[in-house]
Amino acid sequence: QSALTQPPSASGSPGQSVTISCTGTTRDIGAHNYVSWYQQRPGKAPKLIIYEVYKRPSGVPDRFSGSKSGNTASLTVSGLQAEDEADYYCGSFVGLFGGGTRVTVL
Amino acid sequence: EVQLVESGGGLVQPGGSLRLSCTVSGLTFSHTWMTWVRQAPGKGLEWVAIIDPSGSAIEYGGSVEGRFTISRDNVKNSLSLHMNSLEVEDTAVYFCTRDRGFSSFDYWGQGALVTVSS
Repeated sequence: QSALTQPPSASGSPGQSVTISCTGTTRDIGAHNYVSWYQQRPGKAPKLIIYEVYKRPSGVPDRFSGSKSGNTASLTVSGLQAEDEADYYCGSFVGLFGGGTRVTVL
Repeated sequence: EVQLVESGGGLVQPGGSLRLSCTVSGLTFSHTWMTWVRQAPGKGLEWVAIIDPSGSAIEYGGSVEGRFTISRDNVKNSLSLHMNSLEVEDTAVYFCTRDRGFSSFDYWGQGALVTVSS
């Protein structure tokens, strides 16, 4: 059982938006703004796409956005594209991960 | 270009030992916090261990504490993970990663597969 809770799956049609939640507690997500999100395609290493709740590393499209409210963080992928089909993991300080959400582009 | 390259994975029997290495280039390694993250087949990510730039501050995840040892060589730009008393549950792909701060991992190696089986 993972420390952070994510839905196992999410889906959307091309061009639509999908939002993934990541629920923690007052001791982790609710205690600070150190939430990150990772995209992992099959057979590849994870890729950091969001850090410190909403910040994007260089080269990550602005279609990816992050937010947080209380003990729950969220990742929104806007304007879904076929290449966004992947597993997405949330992470929080110190070294916590969610169980992952598989995003399917219909 | 930043590169992290793991080596040393393989098949080992339960109770055995294995050492993983990660060679880093394109970063000022001696200034960088480094971690190991693992992923069991078909499962999610699990944080394993972290080491500070000097090698003096180290922490482990609960499932490996007392069995695994993380270390680094800042002259060789190399990170290591010594794994003892291996269990079937340690079977996973082990990733070497750079922690840019507060558990956000921005550079990852390709991963090294460790299989613990009799």
